[in-house]
Amino acid sequence: DAKTTQPNSMESNEEEPVHLPCNHSTISGTDYIHWYRQLPSQGPEYVIHGLTSNVNNRMASLAIAEDRKSSTLILHRATLRDAAVYYCILSRRGGGGATNKLIFGTGTLLAVQP
Amino acid sequence: EAGVTQSPTHLIKTRGQQATLRCSPISGHTSVYWYQQALGLGLQFLLWYDEGEERNRGNFPPRFSGRQFPNYSSELNVNALELEDSALYLCASSLGFTGFGYTFGSGTRLTVV
Repeated sequence: DAKTTQPNSMESNEEEPVHLPCNHSTISGTDYIHWYRQLPSQGPEYVIHGLTSNVNNRMASLAIAEDRKSSTLILHRATLRDAAVYYCILSRRGGGGATNKLIFGTGTLLAVQP
Repeated sequence: EAGVTQSPTHLIKTRGQQATLRCSPISGHTSVYWYQQALGLGLQFLLWYDEGEERNRGNFPPRFSGRQFPNYSSELNVNALELEDSALYLCASSLGFTGFGYTFGSGTRLTVV
């Protein structure tokens, strides 16, 4: 399974942008890049996903390197509610072309200071 | 729209007993995934069900099993409980073979004593 590498932890100040990096040097051509976050005592929450092009949604932006070996999740203005563990995940296609399980790494614990 | 619901929220069992955990996916979602999250660790993939069939299985012993019902709800069974099975068990659902937009439930906290 393709693996991702993320820093164990990062800190940010409230109202400032946050750039969360992820390395996935073994990504294959059909792997999608997903980001989820997990707040304390909750299940993971979908943030964003992409394949080759940069993506934007109401929660965040995803910047994907041209060679796809790395990506960055961008929170434009961090709030205290963004404090969570952020997971960068590759979705690996299973047999028959089906995309199946998500393999979670240990993620990045983001602390947001007021 | 109701999210993914899991029951019970908390479960306390004695070593050697069996535990049954339940998951109801979002309406219309046909795929259900089970993950184990031990304290301080990441999520470990357990099982994937789609259209009533087991599609994939993580690196767990056979005493972890499950099934998916015709209404797409799912059940995870853990037999012969061991202390190290204590963890948060998370269920997620998605629209079949999309792999996108997994929606997770809040989990069942299983404690084995």
